[in-house]
Amino acid sequence: QVQLVQSGAEVKKPGASVKVSCKASGYTFNNSVMHWVRQAPGQRLEWMGWISAGYGNTKNSQKFQGRVTITRDTSANTAYMELSSLTSEDTAVYYCARDRMGATLGLFDYWGQGTQVTVSS
Amino acid sequence: EIVLTQSPGTLSLSPGERATLSCRASQSVSSNYLAWYQQKPGQAPRLLIYGSSSRATGIPDRFSGSGSGTDFTLTISRLEPEDFAVFYCQQYDSSPVTFGGGTNVEIK
Repeated sequence: QVQLVQSGAEVKKPGASVKVSCKASGYTFNNSVMHWVRQAPGQRLEWMGWISAGYGNTKNSQKFQGRVTITRDTSANTAYMELSSLTSEDTAVYYCARDRMGATLGLFDYWGQGTQVTVSS
Repeated sequence: EIVLTQSPGTLSLSPGERATLSCRASQSVSSNYLAWYQQKPGQAPRLLIYGSSSRATGIPDRFSGSGSGTDFTLTISRLEPEDFAVFYCQQYDSSPVTFGGGTNVEIK
């Protein structure tokens, strides 16, 4: 069965960076597109960007342009999201989510369990 | 970007009752690229409906979606105890994909 398992909770200081991993299993990773979505307290879900696991090309939301880097390691079936220059407004649960169509449509059929990132001095 | 407005914010109902949730888009969602997700506390969202009215794999038929253009509806015909949660609509017609603010369906 399809599973996306994310890395554990992180606590970071303002100005630091965080890197969250998402290990996929149960399907052909290279045929998929992985997205990253975050959910801040009291805020709606927010799309951050995607990576094509097979080709490695990416697209990020304009809101995070310059601060988010999405990468993958095909040998480990793992996608990564790194967010830099953290502020308290980046405190949120970060999810990876697979695109249902294996494309960049943005329809998410499987989600990771979420990674809590807390930014605090 | 397309802004999605969900109503009501909270819906208080009893098991067995019918739930009707609304999602309105700030501009037309072409190809009916509108999805609904259910989220329970401490869990990731779960895909229920895509393409406005198609149920995702394993979703019971008490969940149904309808609508087109700018107005969409999620209906739960008879609420089961496990259905109480927050529901989000999402458009994937144009980038960036966006989500509504959610409707909390709570036990009355």
